[in-house]
Amino acid sequence: DAGITQSPRHKVTETGTPVTLRCHQTENHRYMYWYRQDPGHGLRLIHYSYGVKDTDKGEVSDGYSVSRSKTEDFLLTLESATSSQTSVYFCAISESVSEQYFGPGTRLTVT
Amino acid sequence: GIQVEQSPPDLILQEGANSTLRCNFSDSVNNLQWFHQNPWGQLINLFYIPSGTKQNGRLSATTVATERYSLLYISSSQTTDSGVYFCAVERGGSEKLVFGKGTKLTVNP
Repeated sequence: DAGITQSPRHKVTETGTPVTLRCHQTENHRYMYWYRQDPGHGLRLIHYSYGVKDTDKGEVSDGYSVSRSKTEDFLLTLESATSSQTSVYFCAISESVSEQYFGPGTRLTVT
Repeated sequence: GIQVEQSPPDLILQEGANSTLRCNFSDSVNNLQWFHQNPWGQLINLFYIPSGTKQNGRLSATTVATERYSLLYISSSQTTDSGVYFCAVERGGSEKLVFGKGTKLTVNP
């Protein structure tokens, strides 16, 4: 299995609070991705990174920001969490145009 | 953007049965992957198959890129095959995977 960890694995937070999710890889892969999974929607791309400090928006980026200061870490921040951001968040990595490998997921509940 | 449609949305089988899952996509792609999401939520890579045919044990997959579809075959199904199967594609140069909504498979003993 690809070396991908996500933290925390579960989080409950209140509306309006900031939240940061962390993705850490040990594979030295260039690309990193954040997805959210919701019933009826499958997985949708939030943001991705194609190198240190190089990021771009995905399909559902509103309300989210990302940062990548090191190859191995990709952070997803919800500046002010809303109930619509309750979801399961997955991080993925890939080396190039090839297979993406997924982390175990983070279940976020915004009350 | 590219559209990905999977069928059927739900499938219920008895253990030992065979099944075929389909993925249609609306544009040419340079990456196609099949994933299995198990009941614990883990996403497991099954195949990286932008074209051609691959086999891995009881599972095989075929992608006909010129006709814009891919098929996942599961033979002699087992209860551990239960879960959701996702197809995901990447259009050339986009660096982004687009997922279908999945096929939920239930294999009963």
